[in-house]
Amino acid sequence: GEDVEQSLFLSVREGDSSVINCTYTDSSSTYLYWYKQEPGAGLQLLTYIFSNMDMKQDQRLTVLLNKKDKHLSLRIADTQTGDSAIYFCAEGVGATNKLIFGTGTLLAVQP
Amino acid sequence: DVKVTQSSRYLVKRTGEKVFLECVQDMDHENMFWYRQDPGLGLRLIYFSYDVKMKEKGDIPEGYSVSREKKERFSLILESASTNQTSMYLCASSFRGTNEKLFFGSGTQLSVL
Repeated sequence: GEDVEQSLFLSVREGDSSVINCTYTDSSSTYLYWYKQEPGAGLQLLTYIFSNMDMKQDQRLTVLLNKKDKHLSLRIADTQTGDSAIYFCAEGVGATNKLIFGTGTLLAVQP
Repeated sequence: DVKVTQSSRYLVKRTGEKVFLECVQDMDHENMFWYRQDPGLGLRLIYFSYDVKMKEKGDIPEGYSVSREKKERFSLILESASTNQTSMYLCASSFRGTNEKLFFGSGTQLSVL
């Protein structure tokens, strides 16, 4: 079945770059997503990438996709304390684009 | 502003009770989803619905049922709550079609004692 894996925790200093990694198993996924969950809140879509793309940049965010290795990463440049949150990777599967989420990575930004 | 509203932020119930979690969206979305979120396990899909009165099992439907009588409302039902159903429950909705953005509610933290 489908499976999405992430490391559980990442700690960085303010101003550094953060890189959150994700691996997935369903090679037929059309879209892959990054969601952010701030404390006490639901998830918000940060960015997504179409499966035939290698890279997508959106201001401080860079998404890299290695389809051969089924590896997705999210790079946050100039990380700020406001970026502290849980980041979820997700793949869309099937005709209804049902989302399969990873375990989430808790990003802690140290001042 | 788009909104997915979950009726309770915190809920405490006793083992064996019947529990209703309500979710309402105001965006005329066809699809609605119920996930549970547990530390170290991420989000797991319980049930989803792509139209009124339609429902599909997700990855962990056991011990749950759902109801979608109106397009805007999707209810999650725990017929007989158990302690292993203590969790954060998240509702989401989206338009039908590929790559439609999911909008999430703020979640209901359910504790079953």
